[in-house]
Amino acid sequence: DIVLTQSPDSLAVSLGERATINCKSSQSVFHSPNNKNYLAWYQQKPGQPPKLLIYWASTRESGVPDRFSGSGSGTDFTLTITSLQTEDVAVYYCQQYFSTREFTFGPGTKVHIK
Amino acid sequence: EVQLVQSGAEVRQPGATVKISCKVSGYTFSDYYIHWVQQAPGKGLEWMGLIDPGDDETIYAEKFQGRVTIAADTSTDTVYMELYSLTSEDTAVYYCARSNSATDYWGQGTLVTVSS
Repeated sequence: DIVLTQSPDSLAVSLGERATINCKSSQSVFHSPNNKNYLAWYQQKPGQPPKLLIYWASTRESGVPDRFSGSGSGTDFTLTITSLQTEDVAVYYCQQYFSTREFTFGPGTKVHIK
Repeated sequence: EVQLVQSGAEVRQPGATVKISCKVSGYTFSDYYIHWVQQAPGKGLEWMGLIDPGDDETIYAEKFQGRVTIAADTSTDTVYMELYSLTSEDTAVYYCARSNSATDYWGQGTLVTVSS
């Protein structure tokens, strides 16, 4: 089974500053035949379902502000929020969809305002 | 407009079974997998399983294998998730979500409370 770990568990960032969240996979989620990393990022606010932000590790979902970006390949990935806004306070999860037997999520990173 | 609309909150006693529905609209039902995800109070997201409505193939997470059934009704574009032998640890919000890669649309969630 593919296990995802995230760091940090919690992150306090000043408004307008950068937030960086890391996600590490226990095995590579890169599929060489199509040159894609099967890794997504989600944002979840209290009382709401998760919202897809990034897929294929770095492709922003339609309507997602460009202050959100994803990077990385293989086993190490990063979600970056440049210039944190009040509405970005949430829990962020990575998810792998490389393994068709189990679409695992990371444990989540809580982002709040410093 | 793509929508996934789930059935309402449920309360069950320990040992009972719960069945939740997820009615989809706004796209071709058979073109996307439907996943189920569990979220216990204050906890993270736990993937439970999926169904391909195109051929009814199901895949279940090892944790839930034998205790969950996911089924699709193509006549009503609805997916059902049935969870058996409930315990207090199954108290959670359950989400359905669609994907053909990452899960892009999610239902609103259904709260299941297991209490005697």
